[in-house]
Amino acid sequence: DAGVTQSPTHLIKTRGQQVTLRCSPKSGHDTVSWYQQALGQGPQFIFQYYEEEERQRGNFPDRFSGHQFPNYSSELNVNALLLGDSALYLCASSLHQPPYEQYFGPGTRLTVT
Amino acid sequence: TQLLEQSPQFLSIQEGENLTVYCNSSSVFSSLQWYRQEPGEGPVLLVTVVTGGEVKKLKRLTFQFGDARKDSSLHITAAQPGDTGLYLCAGQSGGSYIPTFGRGTSLIVHP
Repeated sequence: DAGVTQSPTHLIKTRGQQVTLRCSPKSGHDTVSWYQQALGQGPQFIFQYYEEEERQRGNFPDRFSGHQFPNYSSELNVNALLLGDSALYLCASSLHQPPYEQYFGPGTRLTVT
Repeated sequence: TQLLEQSPQFLSIQEGENLTVYCNSSSVFSSLQWYRQEPGEGPVLLVTVVTGGEVKKLKRLTFQFGDARKDSSLHITAAQPGDTGLYLCAGQSGGSYIPTFGRGTSLIVHP
């Protein structure tokens, strides 16, 4: 049973560039959430996709956007990168029913220089 | 403002010791999860608790959900170096199905 996979594992970008991160959910899951985790912090919710639509969004600017495909996989796009966007980006999949347990991928480490 | 407060923030102990970490909030949670995260990896789900007063055991780990569903604790018996990691609690409250995470407790178990 494949778990959540993310690509790439590491990425280095320059300020002002754009980046796309990818996620494949755990088999059987239909919901994908994205989180940003800075060093020493817990994961911060960016947004959640279900049925190919953004269902909820955290306190992140419009530079952060996403997409969910018919096979439930998802992308996170970040435009006009800032130094402060450097973080571990986590994808989590779940079922859209209680208790909404999140299963995380290994993350993508993004460094903006 | 952190909805979920975890304590202690850091814990460094010797192998064989017992420890308890706490997750507290002023909000009532419909469910609460505990995760362990190793450096550079994603969090791994350990347990979900949903009923006030519920106690769940996972080998040497004991999880308790407060009667009022506002707090939780994780107790580790006879800690081992493999228990080293960041322990995160996360809960859903106010009708939301999006979990809010605490900042975590960083545990180091020395051999």
